[in-house]
Amino acid sequence: GAVVSQHPSRVICKSGTSVKIECRSLDFQATTMFWYRQFPKQSLMLMATSNEGSKATYEQGVEKDKFLINHASLTLSTLTVTSAHPEDSSFYICSARGGREGYNEQFFGPGTRLTVL
Amino acid sequence: GQNIDQPTEMTATEGAIVQINCTYQTSGFNGLFWYQQHAGEAPTFLSYNVLDGLEEKGRFSSFLSRSKGYSYLLLKELQMKDSASYLCASMDSNYQLIWGAGTKLIIKP
Repeated sequence: GAVVSQHPSRVICKSGTSVKIECRSLDFQATTMFWYRQFPKQSLMLMATSNEGSKATYEQGVEKDKFLINHASLTLSTLTVTSAHPEDSSFYICSARGGREGYNEQFFGPGTRLTVL
Repeated sequence: GQNIDQPTEMTATEGAIVQINCTYQTSGFNGLFWYQQHAGEAPTFLSYNVLDGLEEKGRFSSFLSRSKGYSYLLLKELQMKDSASYLCASMDSNYQLIWGAGTKLIIKP
């Protein structure tokens, strides 16, 4: 099956620093990648959708200048949390869609747990 | 508006059968997904239905009725490792997944 990796799996940082999270599709080309955030005991919240080579589409209420998304290739998307604050502490999960033509499944990365002190 | 409804929590006994229901209202429809999510982990794909009917895959089956905007996930021969949250998601006309809040399934011995 299709595999999506995320790095790092965990990160602890000081308030005010920036954190970059990488999402890679390992064995297929991801035409679209999605970034989600999940707070404890809550459902997934879509932050943004990115297509390779174009600007990301952000969901309402998500600050595009704070959450920078780059989808530079068909196998890599990055999310940078700029000037992170404690309220940004969350579980960030990427997913990728592509692979078999006509199949709509999204494949999820293992997630990145961000803790901002 | 778009909406996905599923129960917040369910409890079942090891070895038994449990059915988790999901109703959906989305702008357009391109399929219904079920994912399993263990605490602290990312969701993993369980099933995808786009046509009416029952899809069976081992101990897990998923049913869809497009006319009723209804799906269920059926888990048989429950095992302790099945304790997890089960997420229902409908894919809308823009191929975006609209997620339910998830059903936390507790399995008791």
